[in-house]
Amino acid sequence: GQNIDQPTEMTATEGAIVQINCTYQTSGFNGLFWYQQHAGEAPTFLSYNVLDGLEEKGRFSSFLSRSKGYSYLLLKELQMKDSASYLCAVEGDSNYQLIWGAGTKLIIKP
Amino acid sequence: GAVVSQHPSRVICKSGTSVKIECRSLDFQATTMFWYRQFPKKSLMLMATSNEGSKATYEQGVEKDKFLINHASLTLSTLTVTSAHPEDSSFYICSASSSFRGSEYREQFFGPGTRLTVL
Repeated sequence: GQNIDQPTEMTATEGAIVQINCTYQTSGFNGLFWYQQHAGEAPTFLSYNVLDGLEEKGRFSSFLSRSKGYSYLLLKELQMKDSASYLCAVEGDSNYQLIWGAGTKLIIKP
Repeated sequence: GAVVSQHPSRVICKSGTSVKIECRSLDFQATTMFWYRQFPKKSLMLMATSNEGSKATYEQGVEKDKFLINHASLTLSTLTVTSAHPEDSSFYICSASSSFRGSEYREQFFGPGTRLTVL
């Protein structure tokens, strides 16, 4: 079967750093996406990884290890507006279809 | 990034009626559109994939006669919830992807979602 695992909820402090992990088992792999979703809104794109390694984009970085079926999203200098759900999604075999994790709810405290 | 719109953003209807939700790609041609349903505290559930000009491909467990999808043009897809019931109440989100954009990856651009409440 196809499975993507993420922690359900994490708490961090404003200004700190947090790492959200994602492990996956899928039939085929064409890339891994991270999306941010605020309550009641559609997801917004954060990052895309298809090769192993770290992709940095401002305060957000995403890492991928295909051999381990593992990715993480790293958020630095946390701000209150970063409180949201973070969804890991893998593009598997099917045409453009994404397999979604359940999302990690990130709570930022002052 | 590309813009995808959905209409309406919220709809309340009576049980037994049908509701149509539109999804439009505003500044690009979407060869593929996806319809998702999201339950509270759950991941997005893919309902169906539609390619312009062809029949939608439904995921297992999704009733194609209940959730009618039409992708008549490269910028418009519609989802019609027929004979809606309270259990159909949910947040419906569409996304669009294009093979024409020439980007290095096939990003999906999401619409803002439609909140459906069936009384």
